[in-house]
Amino acid sequence: AQKVTQAQTEISVVEKEDVTLDCVYETRDTTYYLFWYKQPPSGELVFLIRRNSFDEQNEISGRYSWNFQKSTSSFNFTITASQVVDSAVYFCALSEASGGYNKLIFGAGTRLAVHP
Amino acid sequence: GAGVSQSPSNKVTEKGKDVELRCDPISGHTALYWYRQSLGQGLEFLIYFQGNSAPDKSGLPSDRFSAERTGGSVSTLTIQRTQQEDSAVYLCASSSGQSGNTIYFGEGSWLTVV
Repeated sequence: AQKVTQAQTEISVVEKEDVTLDCVYETRDTTYYLFWYKQPPSGELVFLIRRNSFDEQNEISGRYSWNFQKSTSSFNFTITASQVVDSAVYFCALSEASGGYNKLIFGAGTRLAVHP
Repeated sequence: GAGVSQSPSNKVTEKGKDVELRCDPISGHTALYWYRQSLGQGLEFLIYFQGNSAPDKSGLPSDRFSAERTGGSVSTLTIQRTQQEDSAVYLCASSSGQSGNTIYFGEGSWLTVV
């Protein structure tokens, strides 16, 4: 069965601190996809990144970086020099290729509060 | 359109009434999904459309819930005889169809049943 665990329910940091959001997944498929979405207070889910199971390269996009480690089934997300605008709920999600379509299984989300 | 569009953005309805929620996916996207986000339940998959057919309806919580898609585009999620536990944000998403492709979400329809 597929499952995504985001153990951190809430994180509170002060602006300019670095923060890492953890994501651990379970799947029996060898081909799968991992996603991160941001949900700001306005409510929409904003796509951040997609990673397939064959690509373990870490990715950096500005202040955001992602660390994918198949050995530990983790896909962690780091925000460097956090800003107030980063305050949101962040969701990690998994999609298995065997289904043939994107049935996303979401983690419970991590609420990040960045204080000035 | 440029993004996934949902209407209404907010809906307050009385218990027992029927509601319809509409989704207009990104132009050209063949796959369309409905999810529900409620307190304590997180983000739950409801139904998946490929074109006008729904190969996976496994997430619909009861027979009061139904959905259709016409013309391979607009989809309507209908909730009959609404109950208070139906109060949630209903999110529509679309993608170009294949597994692994990015799914883009709309802003959601906030449903409150009083």
